[in-house]
Amino acid sequence: NAGVTQTPKFRVLKTGQSMTLLCAQDMNHEYMYWYRQDPGMGLRLIHYSVGEGTTAKGEVPDGYNVSRLKKQNFLLGLESAAPSQTSVYFCASSLTGTSGKNEQFFGPGTRLTVL
Amino acid sequence: GENVEQHPSTLSVQEGDSAVIKCTYSDSASNYFPWYKQELGKGPQLIIDIRSNVGEKKDQRIAVTLNKTAKHFSLHITETQPEDSAVYFCAASMTGREKLTFGTGTRLTIIP
Repeated sequence: NAGVTQTPKFRVLKTGQSMTLLCAQDMNHEYMYWYRQDPGMGLRLIHYSVGEGTTAKGEVPDGYNVSRLKKQNFLLGLESAAPSQTSVYFCASSLTGTSGKNEQFFGPGTRLTVL
Repeated sequence: GENVEQHPSTLSVQEGDSAVIKCTYSDSASNYFPWYKQELGKGPQLIIDIRSNVGEKKDQRIAVTLNKTAKHFSLHITETQPEDSAVYFCAASMTGREKLTFGTGTRLTIIP
């Protein structure tokens, strides 16, 4: 099993450009999450999904959109990138929420720089 | 919403000594407390977790303690080794809530 994979690993954007980050998991997990990690601020939840076709806002959703058209994929979109979105982005998945076996498995991250 | 504070932000420990990282949470309804370890260039990985129906849990050199009254929990690593060097994150959540709230992380360095 590959676990959680993220594409791309690195990306440099100019202000105003758009891009999509792809997360894929092969563990048949119901829950998927997108986090951003910034120095001194830990992991902050952007958006999450509790199942195919569902999405919900996290702690810092502004400037991002997501889609979960297939159970195994969770896409994070930036429509008009801003320098404040320079960060390392992590995708995670879990079998269930916090009621059951809820270990979150993280991908390797995407380092995004917005100039 | 839930707020999780984590201390210290950096910690250096001599190899073989113990390391302790502390977290406090704000929501008294929280009852699930995992700890994640992030090695350089990788995503975080769960190392131990505890639910509020127990006060302590141990897994080899790693232990977590929970004080619900004071709303704080701690990670204890004994007999530290170089491979323990990493960033550690605590988190908190509540049964039925779909998401975790993470602390800001502790960079642990083991000095050989």
